[in-house]
This record gives sequence, structure tokens and C-alpha cells, in this order.
Amino acid sequence: ETGVTQSPTHLIKTRGQQVTLRCSSQSGHNTVSWYQQALGQGPQFIFQYYREEENGRGNFPPRFSGLQFPNYSSELNVNALELDDSALYLCASSLSWGPTNSGANVLTFGAGSRLTVL
Amino acid sequence: GEDVEQSLFLSVREGDSSVINCTYTDSSSTYLYWYKQEPGAGLQLLTYIFSNMDMKQDQRLTVLLNKKDKHLSLRIADTQTGDSAIYFCAERKLAGGYQKVTFGTGTKLQVIP
Repeated sequence: ETGVTQSPTHLIKTRGQQVTLRCSSQSGHNTVSWYQQALGQGPQFIFQYYREEENGRGNFPPRFSGLQFPNYSSELNVNALELDDSALYLCASSLSWGPTNSGANVLTFGAGSRLTVL
Repeated sequence: GEDVEQSLFLSVREGDSSVINCTYTDSSSTYLYWYKQEPGAGLQLLTYIFSNMDMKQDQRLTVLLNKKDKHLSLRIADTQTGDSAIYFCAERKLAGGYQKVTFGTGTKLQVIP
């Protein structure tokens, strides 16, 4: 059983640029969530994808967007990068039976992509 | 509210017990989780508890849940230097048609040899 893998592990961008981060879900998981973790903070929920559609979103502007593919892998895209976007971006996959499922829905995290915006 | 609160720092001696506390605000939370994060790494699930339980024990880990006070704690028995890390509690609840997991700010555990 493979875990969650993310790429790239580190990257540096400049203000105004765009970035795409990638995530491969754990085998058997159908839901992907993305989190932003600023230095010294807890992870902040960006959005969640289930069955290739965004079904939940945190308090992040529209320049944060995503995709989920038929194999349940996912991308996070951030446009018009700002200095405050510098953070560790974490992808987590889980097995969900839908919005009201009663399972434990444990999140399995990847190691993250560390983005630095200069 | 959505805030999950934790104390920032805890220091214990090797061999002692550690107790990390967490306060959450939403009584409708269904599951509560404890995750561990080591430097430069992602989050690793330690344990979780369903909201209708009061206690869960898993080897050196004991989770206590006081739903009335919305208080969650994680006790680590016989704390080892390898337990040094940041510990996050998280609550899961139904929000606008999806299951949302909200994390606390994390407690940094320092184990002194």
C-alpha cells in the first residue's frame, strides 16, 4: 500500500508567478484535501475534492484552485503569488463515502511541498 | 466558532508522562484526532476518538474526551526522546455538506534526556 506522495518537495518562486503542486493519493482513497501550514502554525484547510469536484473550501481566495483526476491524484494551483503564500502545503487523502459518511475518515498526509515566495 | 486551541509548549523529562491538552468549540464534532509532526515532515496520525467515547487507550497513548467541557487530552506514558515533536489535535464536523477537519495550533513537546 503506497502512501501519499507530493511533488516538488521544495520550490522558490517570485511574487506574481504561478505554481502547481501535485499529490498522489494513498491507494484506495477517493478524497483529497489540501492544507496550508505557515511557519509555527497549524494546518489551515484550503479545499477538498471528492469524485473530481470541490466539495468544501476554507477561507482562501479564488487564486487558489485545484483539480482531482480520475485516478484520485490532485493538483493545487496558486496564481499571482504573494509573499504570504510562503508555507508548507500539505496534501491529505482519505476514504469517504460521501458528505455525510460516518466512517473515521482518517486523513493520511504527504510530506508536503515547501513553497518560498520572494 | 472554529478555533481549536492548544498550549504552545510542553517540556518533560524522559520516562515521565506527558499530557497535552486541547479545547475545541464545536459540540457537533464527530471525531477528534491527534497527529504528530516531526521537523520537515508531514503529519502522522497517532490516534483518534469517536465523540461518543470518553477514553481510548492505545499502547503508551491514552486519549480522554470531556464532551461537556469540549476538552481533549493526550497522555503519553514513559515519554521517550523520540516523542519530541509538535502534536496537533483536530476536530471533524459536518460543514456545509462535507466533512471538514480543523487543526489546532500545535503543542511542541520537548523531552529532556
